[in-house]
Amino acid sequence: DVKVTQSSRYLVKRTGEKVFLECVQDMDHENMFWYRQDPGLGLRLIYFSYDVKMKEKGDIPEGYSVSREKKERFSLILESASTNQTSMYLCASSLSPAEQETQYFGPGTRLLVL
Amino acid sequence: KQEVTQIPAALSVPEGENLVLNCSFTDSAIYNLQWFRQDPGKGLTSLLLIQSSQREQTSGRLNASLDKSSGRSTLYIAASQPGDSATYLCAGGPVGIKAAGNKLTFGGGTRVLVKP
Repeated sequence: DVKVTQSSRYLVKRTGEKVFLECVQDMDHENMFWYRQDPGLGLRLIYFSYDVKMKEKGDIPEGYSVSREKKERFSLILESASTNQTSMYLCASSLSPAEQETQYFGPGTRLLVL
Repeated sequence: KQEVTQIPAALSVPEGENLVLNCSFTDSAIYNLQWFRQDPGKGLTSLLLIQSSQREQTSGRLNASLDKSSGRSTLYIAASQPGDSATYLCAGGPVGIKAAGNKLTFGGGTRVLVKP
């Protein structure tokens, strides 16, 4: 069975803190994605990766960075958290970079930045 | 830039009625289309994926069609049940080379309530 896990369901951080959101998939997928979801704005792609140590900017990369040292793990880093980064963060993975494959999502991390 | 639109934003139907959810996209040239379900406070669950060479996909009570020429996809849910209450999102992505990264562009979703 497909499984994407995220390190925390809820997180509260202070402005200026460095925040790490971790995502792990157990399906040997090559692609991994980080989205944020906000009311009225829908899901927006922050970063994605189609291979270990490879990363590509999505639509809203500003204020974020990512790390993919191992195939199964994709980390989203908020270098200095700000209140406008309060959001629901969703990680996803898919099998192959060459064809459109179903994306499998984790349960999400709801981040509150005070 | 690709845009994906879902209208209406919310829909309420009595149990047993068929549901019709609409999705439109601006760039029809190379699209695959996915439908997802999201329960409140949860992640997304994939329902159906229509490859760019296909016209429809079916799974149980769900049927999704893709008309690239008109830039539309429709999700039909037959004989709706209260458990079908959720937000349904469509997303389109390019067929492509590795650099495309299978990026998806999401619609805003349709929030569905099926009343017992």
